[in-house]
Amino acid sequence: AQKITQTQPGMFVQEKEAVTLDCTYDTSDQSYGLFWYKQPSSGEMIFLIYQGSYDEQNATEGRYSLNFQKARKSANLVISASQLGDSAMYFCAMREAPYSGGGADGLTFGKGTHLIIQP
Amino acid sequence: NAGVTQTPKFQVLKTGQSMTLQCAQDMNHEYMSWYRQDPGMGLRLIHYSVGAGITDQGEVPNGYNVSRSTTEDFPLRLLSAAPSQTSVYFCASSYGSSAGYEQYFGPGTRLTVT
Repeated sequence: AQKITQTQPGMFVQEKEAVTLDCTYDTSDQSYGLFWYKQPSSGEMIFLIYQGSYDEQNATEGRYSLNFQKARKSANLVISASQLGDSAMYFCAMREAPYSGGGADGLTFGKGTHLIIQP
Repeated sequence: NAGVTQTPKFQVLKTGQSMTLQCAQDMNHEYMSWYRQDPGMGLRLIHYSVGAGITDQGEVPNGYNVSRSTTEDFPLRLLSAAPSQTSVYFCASSYGSSAGYEQYFGPGTRLTVT
């Protein structure tokens, strides 16, 4: 089973609208972290926001917020007031507790959502 | 701080050649890792290291070797390049191994094997 699922391969959104990018995850760990990264066409990976599994409040960073629903195992990224510069690939990723269940210690990524902001 | 640096930015190899992708960080991070990104895919973990002298395999380790002799450097070696290793390679580092530590990524190396 996929550990990170992003069901929206591509999205078109009008500038200034809010955007929600979906992410569901699968883990049996109690301790884990959820991350969103942005990858513009230039190729670099830019960290956006982090949510810990024990955090009770949803994470926010400027125009980015993470809608964390632990029981549903979802961690959707919300971008408020989208801008043309938000056009990029967006990746959801999870890092589980080190060496849990014999797994490797690193990020597991979804396949990404290609977001295009239209003027 | 330069952060995480990778060299080269681009490389073309012939099948069977070997090469080393360089990665360095100046943030005194204990944890370092290598990922590959293929079209239509997210990044996949190749190898990682939780400190100097300690390395371990990730999801897709075959065909790659790593070593970690210093905290700063974590080179990735391709022993005998194959077309299936055509990809973009990212090095990343974080302060530690906890699930809460953000990973900082290098700019990537685009490798083509012909």
